[in-house]
Amino acid sequence: LAKTTQPISMDSYEGQEVNITCSHNNIATNDYITWYQQFPSQGPRFIIQGYKTKVTNEVASLFIPADRKSSTLSLPRVSLSDTAVYYCLVVDLSQGGKLIFGQGTELSVKP
Amino acid sequence: NAGVTQTPKFRILKIGQSMTLQCTQDMNHNYMYWYRQDPGMGLKLIYYSVGAGITDKGEVPNGYNVSRSTTEDFPLRLELAAPSQTSVYFCASSYGAGGDTQYFGPGTRLTVL
Repeated sequence: LAKTTQPISMDSYEGQEVNITCSHNNIATNDYITWYQQFPSQGPRFIIQGYKTKVTNEVASLFIPADRKSSTLSLPRVSLSDTAVYYCLVVDLSQGGKLIFGQGTELSVKP
Repeated sequence: NAGVTQTPKFRILKIGQSMTLQCTQDMNHNYMYWYRQDPGMGLKLIYYSVGAGITDKGEVPNGYNVSRSTTEDFPLRLELAAPSQTSVYFCASSYGAGGDTQYFGPGTRLTVL
């Protein structure tokens, strides 16, 4: 059974770059890998998505190797307001093509 | 646009009671989803719909039912509430499939006692 794995928690300081990796084997080859951010008592919010290589938007970058067995969310120069839980979302072929969220990584940014 | 709205925000049920969680989206999205999030855990897909009249099971469908009679609405029904269904329920919608960007509602916090 395929599994989506993320670190449970990470600590960082303001101004640092943070990289969060999600491991996901046996995912669909033609579907997005998507990352979401969630603050307490709110629904997840879209950050970034991609198929392969590198994608960058105004808030983050996403690196996806050619084998697509992992993806890395990169947050440049984090601030206190980036303290949140970050989830990867993939289409898992071992689950019949169902959408599967990772367990989430709780990022704590310190001053 | 209101986006995705959910009602109620909070609810306490007794074991064996039933209720319907409402979800409405005004973005004309084809795809709608129901997730549950247990305390300190990630989201698990309960059911999803690819369009009016079409629904399918997600990862944890037992104890729930859904219907999709219109594009806008996707209610989730709990028939016999159990303590294991205590959770926060999120509804989401997207234009396309395959991990297309999902827009989430604010959630419904359900406690079953």
